[in-house]
Amino acid sequence: KQEVTQIPAALSVPEGENLVLNCSFTDSAIYNLQWFRQDPGKGLTSLLLIQSSQREQTSGRLNASLDKSSGRSTLYIAASQPGDSATYLCAVGGTDSWGKFQFGAGTQVVVTP
Amino acid sequence: DGGITQSPKYLFRKEGQNVTLSCEQNLNHDAMYWYRQDPGQGLRLIYYSQIVNDFQKGDIAEGYSVSREKKESFPLTVTSAQKNPTAFYLCASSIRGKEAGSYNEQFFGPGTRLTVL
Repeated sequence: KQEVTQIPAALSVPEGENLVLNCSFTDSAIYNLQWFRQDPGKGLTSLLLIQSSQREQTSGRLNASLDKSSGRSTLYIAASQPGDSATYLCAVGGTDSWGKFQFGAGTQVVVTP
Repeated sequence: DGGITQSPKYLFRKEGQNVTLSCEQNLNHDAMYWYRQDPGQGLRLIYYSQIVNDFQKGDIAEGYSVSREKKESFPLTVTSAQKNPTAFYLCASSIRGKEAGSYNEQFFGPGTRLTVL
């Protein structure tokens, strides 16, 4: 069974620093990997989707990389702002017949002014 | 606006009561999902459906039931058999990918917070 891990569970950085968030998975046979942001008491907002054939995806200050062979994805957020404070989750899309997604527990980020 | 709506936002259940959470999408997505989120934990899959009139149990289906009578609707019933239902419930949808059994980007609704009184 696919297991997805996000370390650290919590992270605090001063404003302006770059954020590096990690996601690891145990089964490299994935279809895609998606990064989400969740604000307290809210639903998940999709940030980036990386297909298994891609190495990275970029959107504004966000860049996500994917290394299937090592079972890792990294989300980089450049020049962090207090508004980036949230919980960030990754989800791995499987290649089994049902195409289920497995989620990590998330990394809670606080950006201090 | 295209998206996923969930209602109600807050729901309170008494002991022994069944309650139903609504999820509607107008994205014309094939697949729909129900997840449960507990504090400090990741999302756990309750049920999912790939097509109308078909659905599959996820990792924690006991005490829950669903129906998929229309493509755009996937209601979740929390039955009295679910002993610890207090949690945040999230509905999501996704469109089928190019490869068999694969699904593309998931989109989520705003969630329903269920509390047992």
